[in-house]
Amino acid sequence: KQEVTQIPAALSVPEGENLVLNCSFTDSAIYNLQWFRQDPGKGLTSLLLIQSSQREQTSGRLNASLDKSSGRSTLYIAASQPGDSATYLCAVRDNQAGTALIFGKGTTLSVSS
Amino acid sequence: GAVVSQHPSWVICKSGTSVKIECRSLDFQATTMFWYRQFPKQSLMLMATSNEGSKATYEQGVEKDKFLINHASLTLSTLTVTSAHPEDSSFYICSARRGNQPQHFGDGTRLSIL
Repeated sequence: KQEVTQIPAALSVPEGENLVLNCSFTDSAIYNLQWFRQDPGKGLTSLLLIQSSQREQTSGRLNASLDKSSGRSTLYIAASQPGDSATYLCAVRDNQAGTALIFGKGTTLSVSS
Repeated sequence: GAVVSQHPSWVICKSGTSVKIECRSLDFQATTMFWYRQFPKQSLMLMATSNEGSKATYEQGVEKDKFLINHASLTLSTLTVTSAHPEDSSFYICSARRGNQPQHFGDGTRLSIL
């Protein structure tokens, strides 16, 4: 059964720092991997989606990489801002028809001004 | 595009009552819908998967008689929490997908049982 782990569970950084969030998954036979942002008490905002055949995706200050063979993904946030403070969730979809996204527990990021 | 609407966003009710949550895909036909539950400071846990016109497939440990899921059309799925108790208080999030496309999520429903 697929399991997704995110490290660290929480992270505090001063504004302007570059940072990396880590995600690992136990079964490398994935269809895709997705990073989400969740603000307290709110729903999910999709940030980046990486197909299994891709190595990375970029959107603005965000860059996500995927190493499927080692079961790892990283989310790189450049020049962090207080508005980046949120919980970041990594989710994978297994390479089987009809399967749902399986989520990690998330990394809670706090960026101080 | 790909908007999923979930209603209500917040509900408070007495123990023993049943609560229905609706999930609608507004601009696409959702062949598959998913229901997740999230406890405070925990991740989203998949409860069940439903395909239009078929019975839902529940994850291990989720009581199908307590959490009734109906996916009667390609744009609507409902989750009914029957005889709700305080331990059912949680954040419920639905998600919809068309074919092999990415999943799109509703904004969630905060359920509080007194």
